[in-house]
Amino acid sequence: GESVGLHLPTLSVQEGDNSIINCAYSNSASDYFIWYKQESGKGPQFIIDIRSNMDKRQGQRVTVLLNKTVKHLSLQIAATQPGDSAVYFCAENMYGGDDKIIFGKGTRLHILP
Amino acid sequence: DAGITQSPRHKVTETGTPVTLRCHQTENHRYMYWYRQDPGHGLRLIHYSYGVKDTDKGEVSDGYSVSRSKTEDFLLTLESATSSQTSVYFCAIRPGQGAGVEYNEQFFGPGTRLTVL
Repeated sequence: GESVGLHLPTLSVQEGDNSIINCAYSNSASDYFIWYKQESGKGPQFIIDIRSNMDKRQGQRVTVLLNKTVKHLSLQIAATQPGDSAVYFCAENMYGGDDKIIFGKGTRLHILP
Repeated sequence: DAGITQSPRHKVTETGTPVTLRCHQTENHRYMYWYRQDPGHGLRLIHYSYGVKDTDKGEVSDGYSVSRSKTEDFLLTLESATSSQTSVYFCAIRPGQGAGVEYNEQFFGPGTRLTVL
């Protein structure tokens, strides 16, 4: 079936460097994508989203890139900090469609001192 | 935390027993969701609600039922718990667009860790 997946289960990044977390999606009808961050022992927390009519969106220290041609989504975190250590999930939904969001399996971001 | 609480936070039960998890919100949001989270599977939607007494199934609804008799509470029931239902359960709410919130932004509760022996 169609699913949202991630290329790497674990990513280790030096503190201060930029992090790039990737995500592939297969549902061509999806037109809304979200990134969530989950710290240990807590529920997921919304980071940033993007609609399919955009290819880039920036937030505070984060940027989401969407490549619809290859069905690829990425989250870039600038100047990675220890507090960025978490599991990051991408998720997809049809904007304005039903209320279901499909989550990917997650990538763990590990910050090296 | 968007005023979401879950109870209990931890529970250990035996196979075959009924279990009810409660999600409570204080903001009167219309949409509420139940997910389970397992290693290697991420978050999977069990059931969701779009209003009082209005619920629908998610992708892993077998073995679960829900009820929403009032806006603030969304209950998840395992009629006869099985070991495969050992998981961490998250409730979420979706305020909808407006008030600085993205249309599909969901806020999650702290989770309930359920162990079925």
